[in-house]
Amino acid sequence: DTEVTQTPKHLVMGMTNKKSLKCEQHMGHRAMYWYKQKAKKPPELMFVYSYEKLSINESVPSRFSPECPNSSLLNLHLHALQPEDSALYLCASSPTADRREQYFGPGTRLTVT
Amino acid sequence: AQTVTQSQPEMSVQEAETVTLSCTYDTSESDYYLFWYKQPPSRQMILVIRQEAYKQQNATENRFSVNFQKAAKSFSLKISDSQLGDAAMYFCASVTGTASKLTFGTGTRLQVTL
Repeated sequence: DTEVTQTPKHLVMGMTNKKSLKCEQHMGHRAMYWYKQKAKKPPELMFVYSYEKLSINESVPSRFSPECPNSSLLNLHLHALQPEDSALYLCASSPTADRREQYFGPGTRLTVT
Repeated sequence: AQTVTQSQPEMSVQEAETVTLSCTYDTSESDYYLFWYKQPPSRQMILVIRQEAYKQQNATENRFSVNFQKAAKSFSLKISDSQLGDAAMYFCASVTGTASKLTFGTGTRLQVTL
């Protein structure tokens, strides 16, 4: 089973709202990732969690706040976003941070109005 | 630093035919891994095939195979017996032995026609 789930599928939020994206995997993977993908572009890495600790932050603005409550769950908290933050947000996981292949979820389509 | 280059923005293939997608990469590391991911209009990135740099044998997964030319830093994907469901954006990606960051190419959009 190589399933990563993400909720919600779609999200529309105003610039003053606070919302959260959720990602879950039950494959026993110990590394989890957040990516941002704009239309017709490859994904861009935002954050990496390894063994529930933040290991990489790709200089992401503080209006994006990741959280890893346990080894199966990854959240991305959103606050005071800008319209240019509208994108597809992809979650991925891998067995460990040094097991290279990453398995992606279906993504959350975020629109900021 | 790693770079991945896909020089074909779009490709087209007839159903049941064979198509090859090109990818070149550059890295100073000796330990690295290469991948092809498929992203259909449904958006989900699906791992198609992986290749470890230390393995000389080209990876295969059913109708998908790679031509890994290490000296030339080339990693092409061959899709045999193309099916309508193969229509998608294909991304070539690499990661080094010590990093967690996938470096993606710009993608090749594959159309499959009847």
